[in-house]
Amino acid sequence: NAGVTQTPKFRVLKTGQSMTLLCAQDMNHEYMYWYRQDPGMGLRLIHYSVGEGTTAKGEVPDGYNVSRLKKQNFLLGLESAAPSQTSVYFCASSYVAGDTGELFFGEGSRLTVL
Amino acid sequence: GQQVMQIPQYQHVQEGEDFTTYCNSSTTLSNIQWYKQRPGGHPVFLIQLVKSGEVKKQKRLTFQFGEAKKNSSLHITATQTTDVGTYFCAGSRYSTLTFGKGTMLLVSP
Repeated sequence: NAGVTQTPKFRVLKTGQSMTLLCAQDMNHEYMYWYRQDPGMGLRLIHYSVGEGTTAKGEVPDGYNVSRLKKQNFLLGLESAAPSQTSVYFCASSYVAGDTGELFFGEGSRLTVL
Repeated sequence: GQQVMQIPQYQHVQEGEDFTTYCNSSTTLSNIQWYKQRPGGHPVFLIQLVKSGEVKKQKRLTFQFGEAKKNSSLHITATQTTDVGTYFCAGSRYSTLTFGKGTMLLVSP
């Protein structure tokens, strides 16, 4: 049982390059989330989705876009990467709304922007 | 916006000592969740508290939710080296969770 899988696990980008992080879950969860984690900052919500075809902004959405074309996948895109986007990105999913149910996290994707 | 503050930021204890981390919100919360993240790992759900004044125990871990639903605590009795990691609280008021910055626990054998 894979749970939540993130790819890639590591990536180095140059400023201005674009990339997409993929999150896949096999638990048939409706809700999916993208967080970023920076030293001393905890986890901050970037975007989230309450179901297939829906997306919503979180606390720090600027510079990111997301898509949820299939229920099991949630993509996070960086159109023009900046050094401030160097971070560890975590995808999470939940069966019920994330404020009332357990979040299941992926193993994280470490992104470095030079 | 909603803020969830955690103290202390960091604590180093000797194995066998107790440990407590505190979580405070600027607003009343619907519920609060606690997560543990081992070094180099991902957050893992520990528990959710919903009721005012609620107390829950998991072996050596005791979780409390304040009467006003604006604060919470996690207490570990007789820490072990396996307790090492960062403990996060996450509060909910509307439809998403807001995480505190976490308390990093180091345990020396």
